[in-house]
Amino acid sequence: EADIYQTPRYLVIGTGKKITLECSQTMGHDKMYWYQQDPGMELHLIHYSYGVNSTEKGDLSSESTVSRIRTEHFPLTLESARPSHTSQYLCASSPSGGGDEQYFGPGTRLTVT
Amino acid sequence: GENVEQHPSTLSVQEGDSAVIKCTYSDSASNYFPWYKQELGKRPQLIIDIRSNVGEKKDQRIAVTLNKTAKHFSLHITETQPEDSAVYFCAARHSGTYKYIFGTGTRLKVLA
Repeated sequence: EADIYQTPRYLVIGTGKKITLECSQTMGHDKMYWYQQDPGMELHLIHYSYGVNSTEKGDLSSESTVSRIRTEHFPLTLESARPSHTSQYLCASSPSGGGDEQYFGPGTRLTVT
Repeated sequence: GENVEQHPSTLSVQEGDSAVIKCTYSDSASNYFPWYKQELGKRPQLIIDIRSNVGEKKDQRIAVTLNKTAKHFSLHITETQPEDSAVYFCAARHSGTYKYIFGTGTRLKVLA
């Protein structure tokens, strides 16, 4: 089924650890996005990508990195987790051409102790 | 910098009444304005959207209006039902970068 997937769904990790949040979409979309969202609050753009080998910084990009080696895969890496990173991380994708709709993944809820 | 202001932050209405949520954007290069509904613990879902070359769009009980000159767009929900209770987000997308800026959200509660 065409969808956007995120793993893990929940993660509890200690301060200082390096973590990678996975995002994959099976819709063939070129554009992909990472957002940070505290429960019920606004979405903050972390990174985005126009396609393979393209990555752009959003507003919260300073403490994380992304890569886009394959169209369907857009992982987010936190080099050194801190308690302030505790939040929900949402991945999204949207098609190129005339398509506008942005589809969201189910999210990864991260807790840094 | 670019921002999207959204009001009100919370809204309570009686079942059957209408609800209106308003957003104002700052970047005149924005050309696409989606509205998302997010239920507790769920991912945001697109409910309606509008492009900058259109002034109004309607889909059953939901409508969106856009005033490009004033940089305002609004979500209108008529005949509200308890299942409309959720957090609603507006967003504006830049025409060149395809970067989305989200509003701060409106928590809508429909009272039965």
